[in-house]
Amino acid sequence: DTGVSQDPRHKITKRGQNVTFRCDPISEHNRLYWYRQTLGQGPEFLTYFQNEAQLEKSRLLSDRFSAERPKGSFSTLEIQRTEQGDSAMYLCASSIAGFRDSPLHFGNGTRLTVT
Amino acid sequence: AQKVTQAQTEISVVEKEDVTLDCVYETRDTTYYLFWYKQPPSGELVFLIRRNSFDEQNEISGRYSWNFQKSTSSFNFTITASQVVDSAVYFCALSEESAYKLSFGAGTTVTVRA
Repeated sequence: DTGVSQDPRHKITKRGQNVTFRCDPISEHNRLYWYRQTLGQGPEFLTYFQNEAQLEKSRLLSDRFSAERPKGSFSTLEIQRTEQGDSAMYLCASSIAGFRDSPLHFGNGTRLTVT
Repeated sequence: AQKVTQAQTEISVVEKEDVTLDCVYETRDTTYYLFWYKQPPSGELVFLIRRNSFDEQNEISGRYSWNFQKSTSSFNFTITASQVVDSAVYFCALSEESAYKLSFGAGTTVTVRA
């Protein structure tokens, strides 16, 4: 399977704990995106990388959120001191070169539940 | 301000009926891209189509067709002869020239009953 892979698929955590999600993009894709989707809504953009450089961050990404893509391949999204409002599906996507050159390919997402 | 509006929250049809999903967008850019994605119960967003703002030609792909009208800022999607496997949430999305990101609508849940 050469699609976008996300791990874990589900994560349940207690409020105040830290969580980390991983995304493995399609191997030849140099752009990687993180989106958040809450119940009944469309995905909302969080941040994106071109290779290892984080080029844009949404205002939705508070100081408790940090994303990395250290070698320009896989990426991690960490949420510190989780809050119940962080409960959502976190989606990763990747694309080739300029965005207009290829559509975003999404993974299955990581569903986070904060209790 | 919401950039993409999908006014229909849920649509339920019987198999073999046609279903049309509405999408209205808002942008000040002259160059932009419109998309439709399908999200089945498994959760993965599946790309269906991309259309740029300079190409108003309607497109047909199998049972799917898209009607892009700049005059009304709409990009509607029709499923002809629907099947149970078409049951999913369908999202319309907009990308503007200056942004390397998608703005999604709230989605329309389509349920096709056998």
